[in-house]
Amino acid sequence: AQSVTQPDIHITVSEGASLELRCNYSYGATPYLFWYVQSPGQGLQLLLKYFSGDTLVQGIKGFEAEFKRSQSSFNLRKPSVHWSDAAEYFCAVGREAGNNRKLIWGLGTSLAVNP
Amino acid sequence: EAQVTQNPRYLITVTGKKLTVTCSQNMNHEYMSWYRQDPGLGLRQIYYSMNVEVTDKGDVPEGYKVSRKEKRNFPLILESPSPNQTSLYFCASRGLSYEQYFGPGTRLTVT
Repeated sequence: AQSVTQPDIHITVSEGASLELRCNYSYGATPYLFWYVQSPGQGLQLLLKYFSGDTLVQGIKGFEAEFKRSQSSFNLRKPSVHWSDAAEYFCAVGREAGNNRKLIWGLGTSLAVNP
Repeated sequence: EAQVTQNPRYLITVTGKKLTVTCSQNMNHEYMSWYRQDPGLGLRQIYYSMNVEVTDKGDVPEGYKVSRKEKRNFPLILESPSPNQTSLYFCASRGLSYEQYFGPGTRLTVT
């Protein structure tokens, strides 16, 4: 069965430091991959997505992610974290389930940013 | 502005008192769905709808109902809420791709 694993439940970084959030997926075909962010009290906002083509994708807010098929990974990165990046980050993979084109979600990584 | 709206944002109710959480989108999306988010369990799909009058169960449909009489609206109905339905609920819509747009969430507490 398809699954998404985010190995790090919680990460703390200092403001200005680089960030990498890990995501591993299990999916037989070429996956559609997503990163969403959930700020406190807010809904989920799409950061970036990968469907095909260039394996390094750029997103909003200075985030990028790299799809590595050999490692079944889609890690999210940011070179310099800002205090406003403190949030919950979710990785998801899209799959067809009958007529339901649904997303399979990881459990999320909570990011704290120290000043 | 393209958006998904939900109401109410916060709701405290008692066991057994029927409630409805409304969801509306202005993007003319055919697909809409409801999720619940619980600590340690992530996001789980409750129901989804592929179009008007077309709805189907997601992963955790027990205790919930939905209807889709208009393209823009997709209300979630709890006929007899129970404490295990205390959760954060999200409505989402999407177009032809997998990319989903989420509402701000409804925090429901059932006592």
